Amino acid sequence: GENVEQHPSTLSVQEGDSAVIKCTYSDSASNYFPWYKQELGKRPQLIIDIRSNVGEKKDQRIAVTLNKTAKHFSLHITETQPEDSAVYFCAASIYQFYFGTGTSLTVIP
Amino acid sequence: DTEVTQTPKHLVMGMTNKKSLKCEQHMGHRAMYWYKQKAKKPPELMFVYSYEKLSINESVPSRFSPECPNSSLLNLHLHALQPEDSALYLCASSQEVSADTQYFGPGTRLTVL
Repeated sequence: GENVEQHPSTLSVQEGDSAVIKCTYSDSASNYFPWYKQELGKRPQLIIDIRSNVGEKKDQRIAVTLNKTAKHFSLHITETQPEDSAVYFCAASIYQFYFGTGTSLTVIP
Repeated sequence: DTEVTQTPKHLVMGMTNKKSLKCEQHMGHRAMYWYKQKAKKPPELMFVYSYEKLSINESVPSRFSPECPNSSLLNLHLHALQPEDSALYLCASSQEVSADTQYFGPGTRLTVL
């Protein structure tokens, strides 16, 4: 089955700096890659996603890049704000979601 | 309506109790999911329903029994649970069971004493 690795497990950045979280996957048949943000005690919320026929997607301060050849995808958050502090999960999907282990992001004011 | 709702928000039960978790969506989605999530871990898939039929059961113990009464509702019946079953139980839905966006409910925080 699919195996998704996510790094780093924790990340601290100063407010205004950029944050990058990376995921790798094992199954080349995976064709959908969502990113979820989960604040403490709340539900995972989709923040951005990308499909395998696209290399990059951007939504305001958030962007995702996908390298199918290397089987990795990354989340980029620019101009970070304290409200970006949360746990971020990547996932790879063919039929069901395979989640990464999560990255706890702290943005220091 | 673009939300998945779950009840109750919190549940405390003893190991001999029987209880049920409920999930509802009105987005016309045909796929619904149950996940279990422990603190600081990713959601773990338990069950998948597609067009009201169980399509995936991730080797979940029989003390968890899912039910899909109709296309908008999903239940999880709980019986004889163990303390290690304490977790956040998340429901999700998507248009189809495929590489498609899943929308999560707020979850039920379950504590088994």
